[in-house]
Amino acid sequence: DIQMTQSPASLSASLEEIVTITCQASQDIGNWLSWYQQKPGKSPQLLIYGATSLADGVPSRFSGSRSGTQYSLKISRLQVEDIGIYYCLQAYSAPPTFGGGTKLELK
Amino acid sequence: VQLVESGGGLVQPGKSLKLSCSASGFTFSSYGMHWIRQAPGKGLDWVAYISSSSGTVYADAVKGRFTISRDNAKNTLYLQLNSLKSEDTAIYYCARDRMGYYFDYWGQGVMVTVSS
Repeated sequence: DIQMTQSPASLSASLEEIVTITCQASQDIGNWLSWYQQKPGKSPQLLIYGATSLADGVPSRFSGSRSGTQYSLKISRLQVEDIGIYYCLQAYSAPPTFGGGTKLELK
Repeated sequence: VQLVESGGGLVQPGKSLKLSCSASGFTFSSYGMHWIRQAPGKGLDWVAYISSSSGTVYADAVKGRFTISRDNAKNTLYLQLNSLKSEDTAIYYCARDRMGYYFDYWGQGVMVTVSS
């Protein structure tokens, strides 16, 4: 199975701050990487697909990038509504595997 | 697009349960579907997938115990859970597959608790 190593596990940041979360794939997964946000008590929601494409309705302060087998999610100016847990997912090969999650809190 | 899970509850170890996911707002028969679970306080774990043509794939942890199926006439996805173990305790989500690439819509989830 492909392992997705996500970091950091938790992150405390201030409003308007730039936040970056990364996922390292254990092997090449191309652009088969997506990012999800899970707010407390809610189901996950798609943010980014194809490593860099913004899902419909997602604010433009969210962006995704790729460098080799390392993938990053960037929030350019943190807002209160961005608090939650973020997960990456690889769907390059079965079984699909998620990163361990990053819990984002307000400082 | 709306996905609504049902059928969860408290069940004893070794028993069975069947979850349903009712789909609306899209042509259900044209899409693959997934089940994903989340143990209390833990991360997301993929469970099973069924293609639009009813081909199936399972996580090793549930292979031989869980069965994913679909009824396109009823726009409903199912997950039959047999021989349940305490480690199957989780919120179970259904999600729509997009081209095998990502999961674009998720249900609200249904809780399954396995305990004596």
